[in-house]
Amino acid sequence: AQRVTQPEKLLSVFKGAPVELKCNYSYSGSPELFWYVQYSRQRLQLLLRHISRESIKGFTADLNKGETSFHLKKPFAQEEDSAMYYCALFTGGGNKLTFGTGTQLKVEL
Amino acid sequence: EPEVTQTPSHQVTQMGQEVILRCVPISNHLYFYWYRQILGQKVEFLVSFYNNEISEKSEIFDDQFSVERPDGSNFTLKIRSTKLEDSAMYFCASSVTSAGSAGELFFGEGSRLTVL
Repeated sequence: AQRVTQPEKLLSVFKGAPVELKCNYSYSGSPELFWYVQYSRQRLQLLLRHISRESIKGFTADLNKGETSFHLKKPFAQEEDSAMYYCALFTGGGNKLTFGTGTQLKVEL
Repeated sequence: EPEVTQTPSHQVTQMGQEVILRCVPISNHLYFYWYRQILGQKVEFLVSFYNNEISEKSEIFDDQFSVERPDGSNFTLKIRSTKLEDSAMYFCASSVTSAGSAGELFFGEGSRLTVL
């Protein structure tokens, strides 16, 4: 069965420090991975998708199939990055997106 | 910008009562989803829906749950006989394409269900 693991419930960093939000997955098929974000009082929204290999708001994530990981990184944290971040795994067939438990990122001044 | 809208924002009900949560997906979207989040826990997949059929459902989505697209705009989640453990925030989402590859789910703000 597919599973997404985000080991940290809360990650607190200082402004300007590097950020790494960890995500590991378990899936026997070819994975498609995403990061979704929920800012305070806003709805859950897509941040980035691994297939696009894009950088959004300074965040990047690389799919590492050997380590079954899809960690989210940003070299210099900003205060506006404070939010809840969810890693998500898509499994085709039934069109199902499975979310991890989420990591609350808090950027302190 | 078009958004997914959900009603009600909060509903309180007695155990055993039927509840219908309503969603209006973005108008040109073809794929629809329900998720739920029990307080302090993860966002859990309930069901995906396409072409007037359920594409996939989770083990949570038992016989007490049903979904319907009664007209061209609404997408509803019905819980036939609510239990205390159904108390959660329920999120509706829609997407133009399937959730994978270039897909993107657009979420509503959620409907908070409290079962007493």
